[in-house]
Amino acid sequence: GAGVSQTPSNKVTEKGKYVELRCDPISGHTALYWYRQSLGQGPEFLIYFQGTGAADDSGLPNDRFFAVRPEGSVSTLKIQRTERGDSAVYLCASSLIGGGWQRQETQYFGPGTRLLVL
Amino acid sequence: DAKTTQPNSMESNEEEPVHLPCNHSTISGTDYIHWYRQLPSQGPEYVIHGLTSNVNNRMASLAIAEDRKSSTLILHRATLRDAAVYYCILRDRPNSGGSNYKLTFGKGTLLTVNP
Repeated sequence: GAGVSQTPSNKVTEKGKYVELRCDPISGHTALYWYRQSLGQGPEFLIYFQGTGAADDSGLPNDRFFAVRPEGSVSTLKIQRTERGDSAVYLCASSLIGGGWQRQETQYFGPGTRLLVL
Repeated sequence: DAKTTQPNSMESNEEEPVHLPCNHSTISGTDYIHWYRQLPSQGPEYVIHGLTSNVNNRMASLAIAEDRKSSTLILHRATLRDAAVYYCILRDRPNSGGSNYKLTFGKGTLLTVNP
């Protein structure tokens, strides 16, 4: 079946601009995660959705970053007033149910969006 | 999540076994050991996980030390498609009060497979 998809695959923007990154999770997955990966580093957690609500947004670096998932499926990560330091690969993952259940759920990752802020 | 330590890089020859080590000396009794890998220009993918006993699946085997302070991911016959960064991650047991939904990645081990 279809995996997690992310669009665009690449995004180049200028400092100060607004960007939106989209994630389409695996159909039926209620849990959705955003991670950010800087060059040479492992992915870092940003935010976790359980259904439509953000259950944990503790990884968002500041208030320029915001994410939504209005219908419990597609999610959009929004970055305002982009800075050069925001350049990274933004990864989205989904899992069937999410944390708090008696299982060690696999997270399925998309290919990422490579964001470059000039 | 407890911290893990992995070598920065390892090299292997095609069709030979590969043993990727991970140290987790501060592991708690409720931490599961997970491995993910990330192929070039792709997102991470799940490989295997375990708690105490050794585990096998179609991709790899996971050998866990008796004291659980270390583990080894074993690729029985490396192929060129196994060239990737391998991450060893500790995840707390659900309902233990920890945030086990977060995957905490280190820098991982970059595995190079020579033809």
